[in-house]
Amino acid sequence: GAVVSQHPSRVICKSGTSVKIECRSLDFQATTMFWYRQFPKQSLMLMATSNEGSKATYEQGVEKDKFLINHASLTLSTLTVTSAHPEDSSFYICSARYPRTGVYEQYFGPGTRLTVT
Amino acid sequence: GNSVTQMEGPVTLSEEAFLTINCTYTATGYPSLFWYVQYPGEGLQLLLKATKADDKGSNKGFEATYRKETTSFHLEKGSVQVSDSAVYFCALSVTGNQFYFGTGTSLTVIP
Repeated sequence: GAVVSQHPSRVICKSGTSVKIECRSLDFQATTMFWYRQFPKQSLMLMATSNEGSKATYEQGVEKDKFLINHASLTLSTLTVTSAHPEDSSFYICSARYPRTGVYEQYFGPGTRLTVT
Repeated sequence: GNSVTQMEGPVTLSEEAFLTINCTYTATGYPSLFWYVQYPGEGLQLLLKATKADDKGSNKGFEATYRKETTSFHLEKGSVQVSDSAVYFCALSVTGNQFYFGTGTSLTVIP
């Protein structure tokens, strides 16, 4: 149980275009999902917290107009990288908080490798 | 504040060697502690966790004990295999929302 999927796993786009990444909790409902960014050989950097039915909460330094997050249902959150540039190339990972009181677990998706050319 | 410090890698071991990856933390409140593993090109998988002091998390031969007195959560395995080669992340969470990750420790096990 507690499986999180991401789509696509890899995407290559041209500079200036927008890319949407989907994150789904497959066998549980997640009111809260998280988006992370990981640079090569570095740790995960939390970008934003996505709450179902409300606006996402962005971490300091993350451009909310560039990284649009939508959490329209209890099993789906999307991250749209708008007007992508080469410096946005990275590994994006989502996670979903398991909805059990007192259980602080996050289950991670397999990640999406974004390359902007 | 909340933070996690991991021993820097990379770590290279021979198969069947003993593994220790050190992790210490600082936290406001009472954190839950986690070890995640990331295989090449993949996302993170929960390896084990502990939610209170003196708890021992264990999975797939890996163990870690929540030591409040030393604020540590060191990962150990008695006999590593080539398939254990991956990056290991120590993490903590106080609220269940914000997770704080260490910088990761790369492990390579050679036959």
